[in-house]
Amino acid sequence: SQTIHQWPATLVQPVGSPLSLECTVEGTSNPNLYWYRQAAGRGLQLLFYSVGIGQISSEVPQNLSASRPQDRQFILSSKKLLLSDSGFYLCAWSKQVDEQYFGPGTRLTVT
Amino acid sequence: GEDVEQSLFLSVREGDSSVINCTYTDSSSTYLYWYKQEPGAGLQLLTYIFSNMDMKQDQRLTVLLNKKDKHLSLRIADTQTGDSAIYFCAERGGSYIPTFGRGTSLIVHP
Repeated sequence: SQTIHQWPATLVQPVGSPLSLECTVEGTSNPNLYWYRQAAGRGLQLLFYSVGIGQISSEVPQNLSASRPQDRQFILSSKKLLLSDSGFYLCAWSKQVDEQYFGPGTRLTVT
Repeated sequence: GEDVEQSLFLSVREGDSSVINCTYTDSSSTYLYWYKQEPGAGLQLLTYIFSNMDMKQDQRLTVLLNKKDKHLSLRIADTQTGDSAIYFCAERGGSYIPTFGRGTSLIVHP
């Protein structure tokens, strides 16, 4: 069966520091991968999605970036965090246009 | 662009039925989903329905789709305290990217 992992689960970082969040999927190949942010208002904001290695689409311009160095690995990064980057970051995968499956999330607090 | 609307809160008594409603604007929606999010956790897919269906039942869950009115509902029978969570409605047409509602907080009280 397929599983999706995210780490770390919780992160507290100062403003201006770098960020690296990792997401990996097991039990499937060539998944579509997604990064979402969920702020205090609870809605999901799509940040990036990828349909293959090295293929990243950005939905919202900001100081975050994403990379997909391997088929089942998706990384969310920032060179300098802002206070507004605080939130709950969710990774998800899907097979083409099928339903999405979400990871457990990373709670990021920027201080 | 596409939009999905949900009420923000629903409060029910334990043992009653809960009905969470959702409306969407995309007339080309092919798949409609319900997700559940418990505190501090990711979203869990509860059920989904294809646009050529009117109803889908899965144990205590019943999904009704009115495609003419672009209205989707999730009914939870015999609601329990463990059903307290945020429920997200989502729709997808032919693209990879679904559109999510803002979520409905279901509060179950004794």
